[in-house]
Amino acid sequence: GENVEQHPSTLSVQEGDSAVIKCTYSDSASNYFPWYKQELGKRPQLIIDIRSNVGEKKDQRIAVTLNKTAKHFSLHITETQPEDSAVYFCAASIGSGSEKLVFGKGTKLTVNP
Amino acid sequence: GAVVSQHPSRVICKSGTSVKIECRSLDFQATTMFWYRQFPKQSLMLMATSNEGSKATYEQGVEKDKFLINHASLTLSTLTVTSAHPEDSSFYICSASRTKAFFGQGTRLTVV
Repeated sequence: GENVEQHPSTLSVQEGDSAVIKCTYSDSASNYFPWYKQELGKRPQLIIDIRSNVGEKKDQRIAVTLNKTAKHFSLHITETQPEDSAVYFCAASIGSGSEKLVFGKGTKLTVNP
Repeated sequence: GAVVSQHPSRVICKSGTSVKIECRSLDFQATTMFWYRQFPKQSLMLMATSNEGSKATYEQGVEKDKFLINHASLTLSTLTVTSAHPEDSSFYICSASRTKAFFGQGTRLTVV
C-alpha cells in the first residue's frame, strides 16, 4: 500500500526565514497531494494542494512542488511568521482518483520571533 | 471551503460503555466519509471508510465489531466505540471530500 515519509520531524526557524518540508511517497498511481496545518487540539486545515498534472503551485507565502518521477513533493513557506508555528502534515491519495489519504508523520514547525 | 461538523468535541466515559460520535457534512452531500484516529504527537491514521447505504470498509488491524460505523444518509456518518477501554482514548477525526478533504473538529475521547 501507499507509504508516505515526511522530513524533518521538527523544524525551528527565525521569523522571516524560509521553511521547507519534504515528503516522499511510494505509490506511483497517487495523483493528489495536499498539505495540512494542525494547531494543538484542533482539526487539520488544508493549506495547499497539488495534483499530478502540475509541478508547482503557489499561494502567497506558501508553495508546493511535485516531482512525479522521483515521487517526492515539498512545502515551502517564505517569510515565516510566529503564527505559522504548528504541525504540518503532507498526504498522498491512495491510487488515482481516490479520496482516501495516507498521511506523513508530521513536522512540528516553530517560528521564533 | 466545505463545512464538516463533528460532535461531541469532548467525551469522557467509563470503561465498558459505548460512545457515539457524529460527523456531518453541512453544505454538501458526501457518499463517502473517512474516520481517523490520532494519538498525541502522532499522525492521522485511517481507520475506516464510511459508505452511504452500505457497509464500511475497515483498514487492516481495525476491529469492525469494536468501531461500528453507520452512514445512513448523505450528510451523516456515525462512529460508535463499543465497550470502550482506556487504550481507546484518543482524538477521533472524520473527513468528507468535496474535491478536497475537509475535516471535522475532532472528538477527544477519554475512557476512565
